[in-house]
Amino acid sequence: GAVVSQHPSRVICKSGTSVKIECRSLDFQATTMFWYRQFPKQSLMLMATSNEGSKATYEQGVEKDKFLINHASLTLSTLTVTSAHPEDSSFYICSATRTYGGLHTDTQYFGPGTRLTVL
Amino acid sequence: KQEVTQIPAALSVPEGENLVLNCSFTDSAIYNLQWFRQDPGKGLTSLLLIQSSQREQTSGRLNASLDKSSGRSTLYIAASQPGDSATYLCAVRSGDGDMRFGAGTRLTVKP
Repeated sequence: GAVVSQHPSRVICKSGTSVKIECRSLDFQATTMFWYRQFPKQSLMLMATSNEGSKATYEQGVEKDKFLINHASLTLSTLTVTSAHPEDSSFYICSATRTYGGLHTDTQYFGPGTRLTVL
Repeated sequence: KQEVTQIPAALSVPEGENLVLNCSFTDSAIYNLQWFRQDPGKGLTSLLLIQSSQREQTSGRLNASLDKSSGRSTLYIAASQPGDSATYLCAVRSGDGDMRFGAGTRLTVKP
């Protein structure tokens, strides 16, 4: 149990287009999902915290209007990179924490990641 | 398929002690290894990143080592403080971008 999927696993797009990345908890309800990104040879860095039914909380330096996060259900969060530029090329990974009978747990389950390349 | 294991699962120490957290991985062909801390209800905070060509990294009271041949990494915390109490995770990234996380070690530092 506790599987998190991401789609797509890889995406190549042209500069100026928007790209949507989906993060799904397949067999559990995820009250909270986190979005991270990792540039080559750099650490994985938290971008935002997404709670179902409310606005995402963004980390300092992350543009909320550029990285749109929607957490419309307990099993799905989406990250949309708007007007993508080559400097947005990165590895994006999500994680989810599960809820048991209304109780929130802290263990994070990670998706396999999405590699975005913007030409 | 890479598997990452962290031992111990939980650790409780008195304030001031030096301690070591362990991370082992099954496939030595890694791209990098990272150590994170997780506070309750929060996302991961990156602590140290070790590239595959490196053997150790240091930041303040933290030192992380990497031995690819034996599939091991350690995180050394010197002079532990109650504020160090958190869950510590290691993550191994392979060349194709796949990233695998350990289950974490829950550290409690008692005042």
